[in-house]
Amino acid sequence: GAVVSQHPSRVICKSGTSVKIECRSLDFQATTMFWYRQFPKQSLMLMATSNEGSKATYEQGVEKDKFLINHASLTLSTLTVTSAHPEDSSFYICSARSWEDSPLHFGNGTRLTVT
Amino acid sequence: AQTVTQSQPEMSVQEAETVTLSCTYDTSESDYYLFWYKQPPSRQMILVIRQEAYKQQNATENRFSVNFQKAAKSFSLKISDSQLGDAAMYFCAYRRPNFGNEKLTFGTGTRLTIIP
Repeated sequence: GAVVSQHPSRVICKSGTSVKIECRSLDFQATTMFWYRQFPKQSLMLMATSNEGSKATYEQGVEKDKFLINHASLTLSTLTVTSAHPEDSSFYICSARSWEDSPLHFGNGTRLTVT
Repeated sequence: AQTVTQSQPEMSVQEAETVTLSCTYDTSESDYYLFWYKQPPSRQMILVIRQEAYKQQNATENRFSVNFQKAAKSFSLKISDSQLGDAAMYFCAYRRPNFGNEKLTFGTGTRLTIIP
């Protein structure tokens, strides 16, 4: 089955630093990738949608300069949390789809803690 | 905008029994997809079952089945012969079809506990 690898699974960083999270589709080409954020005991909130080779589309209220998304190839998308603050601490999940009507495949998520 | 509502924050069921999780949604579209995802403690999102709105037949996957009522905009999940491994958060989700960037809209989730 289709596999999405997300790395790192856990990261702790200091306030003011930047953190990069990678999302890779291992055995299929991901034309579209989605980045979600999940607070404890809450649902997944979509942050942005990215297509290979084009700029990401951000959801309302998500700061594009703070959450930089790059989808440079059909197998890799990255989310960079810039100048991280404690309120950015959360669980971030990526998902990928190969074509319009295919199922979404999710990564294992990244738990970010900003101290 | 589409919304997905799960009115049961928590449910519990005795092992081997049957449980039904509720989901309602709001949309003005006539064609769409509905999903149930499972998120165990590992936090990995796992697709449980999927339903195309144009199909009248309810989807079934082994012990998991749905009751899709399009007119009522209801999409409940029935888990038969509950097993300990079914313990997880269950999210109902909606998506419009045939557009590459169409996002999944998730409900708030139902935490399912299996009682041994």
